[in-house]
Amino acid sequence: AQTVTQSQPEMSVQEAETVTLSCTYDTSENNYYLFWYKQPPSRQMILVIRQEAYKQQNATENRFSVNFQKAAKSFSLKISDSQLGDTAMYFCAFTLSNSGYALNFGKGTSLLVTP
Amino acid sequence: SAVISQKPSRDICQRGTSLTIQCQVDSQVTMMFWYRQQPGQSLTLIATANQGSEATYESGFVIDKFPISRPNLTFSTLTVSNMSPEDSSIYLCSVGRRDTWYQETQYFGPGTRLLVL
Repeated sequence: AQTVTQSQPEMSVQEAETVTLSCTYDTSENNYYLFWYKQPPSRQMILVIRQEAYKQQNATENRFSVNFQKAAKSFSLKISDSQLGDTAMYFCAFTLSNSGYALNFGKGTSLLVTP
Repeated sequence: SAVISQKPSRDICQRGTSLTIQCQVDSQVTMMFWYRQQPGQSLTLIATANQGSEATYESGFVIDKFPISRPNLTFSTLTVSNMSPEDSSIYLCSVGRRDTWYQETQYFGPGTRLLVL
């Protein structure tokens, strides 16, 4: 079974600063897909960024980037120039297939961005 | 992206009753999933809703408690049967949509917040 671990239940960061959220996972498979989802207080889950395990290059999406360390099974999310709107729960998720497979989620990290 | 709506957005129910949650997608999708998010917890997959066949349930979830329908490629329902306070959760549906020829992304509905008294 695949497991996803987020070891930081809560974090805070000041506006404009950079914060890194940690995620580790466990799988015996070689091909898989990793995601970070954001769930603001409004509850709608939003995809932040995705990483294919076969890609060595770390994914980036504007202020969001990942540090994907396949050997260490680590997938951290870096948020640069934090904004108040980044306040949310962040979930790391894993799936084995690019199509038609459900996601395994970590327990989440609650991020608070302060003025 | 995908536009997904869920009804109701929230409800308060008495124990022993049942509630049916609807999930509507703006276009046809192959895969639809139902998740449960208990208070302060992460998302747990309940089942995969298969069009034209029975849903596939995860360990710990059974059809008698969580019957699912998938009559077509844009709609699914989840029923929470014989509810108890332990069923108080947010229930979310999600769909897989192919954004590029090699990438499929899961999009989530807004969720249904259920409180069982």
